[in-house]
Amino acid sequence: NAGVMQNPRHLVRRRGQEARLRCSPMKGHSHVYWYRQLPEEGLKFMVYLQKENIIDESGMPKERFSAEFPKEGPSILRIQQVVRGDSAAYFCASSRDRTDTQYFGPGTRLTVL
Amino acid sequence: KQEVTQIPAALSVPEGENLVLNCSFTDSAIYNLQWFRQDPGKGLTSLLLIQSSQREQTSGRLNASLDKSSGRSTLYIAASQPGDSATYLCAVKDKNFNKFYFGSGTKLNVKP
Repeated sequence: NAGVMQNPRHLVRRRGQEARLRCSPMKGHSHVYWYRQLPEEGLKFMVYLQKENIIDESGMPKERFSAEFPKEGPSILRIQQVVRGDSAAYFCASSRDRTDTQYFGPGTRLTVL
Repeated sequence: KQEVTQIPAALSVPEGENLVLNCSFTDSAIYNLQWFRQDPGKGLTSLLLIQSSQREQTSGRLNASLDKSSGRSTLYIAASQPGDSATYLCAVKDKNFNKFYFGSGTKLNVKP
C-alpha cells in the first residue's frame, strides 16, 4: 500500500504565477489535511477536506489560496499570484476517517523567485 | 486557540547522553499527542502517539509521557546516537476537527 504521495516535490515559480500542488492520499483514505511549514518553523494547519467537501479551512489565507478534493483524482492546493512569502514546504496528510491516524506525505517545497 | 510550545529550540549533546525534550500546550481538550521526527528537507516520521487517556508510550530508546491536566509532554531519548540528530516536533490533535497543532520543534544535534 503506497503512502501519501505529493507532487511535484520541488516547485519554482516567479512572483505572480500560479502554483498547483497535488496530494494523492493513501488507498482507502477519504480525509485530507494540508499544512504549511515556513523556514525554521513548525507546521501550521491550513485546510481539512473530505471528498468533495471542505470541512475546516480556518488556517487558509483569505485570498489567493484555494483547495479541493474532487470525487476522482488527487487533492489540489492552488495558490494564485504567488509572492515570496509563499515560499515554504507544503505537507499533505490523509486518514481513513476523522479519528484515524494521519499519515504525512513527503511535502512539496515551493520556492518563489 | 491551541498553542504548542517546545523547549529548548536547539540542543547539542555528546553521544551516549540521555536527554529530555519538552512540549507544552494551552488547551487540555486534546484527542491525542504525537511526537514526530523531521530530517532536513524531508517529511515527517511518526515516533510515538499517546492517546488522551494514556500517560506514556515507549518505543525502543524513546519514551513519551503526557500530563494532560498540566498541558505537558516530554520525550525522553536514552543513550543518544549521532543518527538521532534531527528536528523533533510535538503535535496535539484537536478534539473536534482532528487537525494537528504543531510546536516549532527542537533541533537536536548528537555529537560523535
